Amino acid sequence: RKEVEQDPGPFNVPEGATVAFNCTYSNSASQSFFWYRQDCRKEPKLLMSVYSSGNEDGRFTAQLNRASQYISLLIRDSKLSDSATYLCVVRNTGGFKTIFGAGTRLFVKA
Amino acid sequence: DTGVSQDPRHKITKRGQNVTFRCDPISEHNRLYWYRQTLGQGPEFLTYFQNEAQLEKSRLLSDRFSAERPKGSFSTLEIQRTEQGDSAMYLCASSSQGREQFFGPGTRLTVL
Repeated sequence: RKEVEQDPGPFNVPEGATVAFNCTYSNSASQSFFWYRQDCRKEPKLLMSVYSSGNEDGRFTAQLNRASQYISLLIRDSKLSDSATYLCVVRNTGGFKTIFGAGTRLFVKA
Repeated sequence: DTGVSQDPRHKITKRGQNVTFRCDPISEHNRLYWYRQTLGQGPEFLTYFQNEAQLEKSRLLSDRFSAERPKGSFSTLEIQRTEQGDSAMYLCASSSQGREQFFGPGTRLTVL
């Protein structure tokens, strides 16, 4: 079993749609959680950190469920520019070893 | 440009040759990470430095791989006797203690 698992997609949605991604992790001692975005042939970039209480940044909302060991990302009012791969990231206790999921591909169409 | 830089951006080599990649982190960052990414996968952790000390090394890193960060600033990743399976994007990232990682543009390695 992979330490971090994501649905690879692709998710094909029209502009303006709401789309949600889930991610599960296996290590219950995991300490920090993030969503990164990666455009084709580019480096990953931090989209947002995920806090226990849930957090929102504009059209993006992240949730953490420690009991069920999953993380979610909700994108509202999708834009064409949201088309990318979204990587779920877990940092284990100790704070340095960082595990990336394989990513979920999103295509937003006009 | 004060971001993470990597050199070269692309490297094509023949099987059996040695290659070396360089990473220059953001200057005030004391943590440096190397990852490998293949098509359709997320970055896989290879190794981590805090200042000049290499504190963690993945089992993925065979004896043919070695990384250094001699003065706690730039880092090098060397692959000896390259194999076709080493073809991948090699990503470097840096961070301050406990903060987000910033990635460089990567070095794309092709082993023929």
